Amino acid sequence: EAAVTQSPRSKVAVTGGKVTLSCHQTNNHDYMYWYRQDTGHGLRLIHYSYVADSTEKGDIPDGYKASRPSQENFSLILELASLSQTAVYFCASSDWGGAFYEQYFGPGTRLTVL
Amino acid sequence: GDSVTQKEGLVTLTEGLPVMLNCTYQTIYSNAFLFWYVHYLNESPRLLLKSSTDNKRTEHQGFHATLHKSSSSFHLQKSSAQLSDSALYYCALGGSNAKLTFGKGTKLSVKS
Repeated sequence: EAAVTQSPRSKVAVTGGKVTLSCHQTNNHDYMYWYRQDTGHGLRLIHYSYVADSTEKGDIPDGYKASRPSQENFSLILELASLSQTAVYFCASSDWGGAFYEQYFGPGTRLTVL
Repeated sequence: GDSVTQKEGLVTLTEGLPVMLNCTYQTIYSNAFLFWYVHYLNESPRLLLKSSTDNKRTEHQGFHATLHKSSSSFHLQKSSAQLSDSALYYCALGGSNAKLTFGKGTKLSVKS
């Protein structure tokens, strides 16, 4: 069974503060993704990566950075958190390209920026 | 660019009635994959169905969908809704790159 874990599961941050969301997968998958989920917008891709030490911009990358230090770990960094970044964030992994293969999602991190 | 449209944000049904959630898409990629993901409350989103074959019915866990490239549609159906089907359903499109494009999601609420 594929396994993707995220930490923390929930976080409250202050506006202007730095937030780091972590994702770990034990699937031996090459591809990892960060999405945000908002009511009325669905799942939107922020950043993704297909190899360690390299990241790619997704559809809504502004205000976010990503880091892939190893195949197993993928972090999402909010350098200056803003109210508009309050959302639920999901990490996912997939074998090969996620456009053709199943993506396995983590449990999500609920981020509230005050 | 690629896009997915799920017109209904919320579908409310009585248990036992048929389910149909609409999904249409736009892409220039002729070999696109279409997916349905389901997201139950307090769980992770997970794959329900996928297809890349035109006019072939795909089934899983009582749900089915048929990809129609002529109309760019991939509607999700079930003959009889159950209370346990209440969830958020996402249609997604995979094209020529490694990314999925998700629709905005349809919340299915099944009542007794």
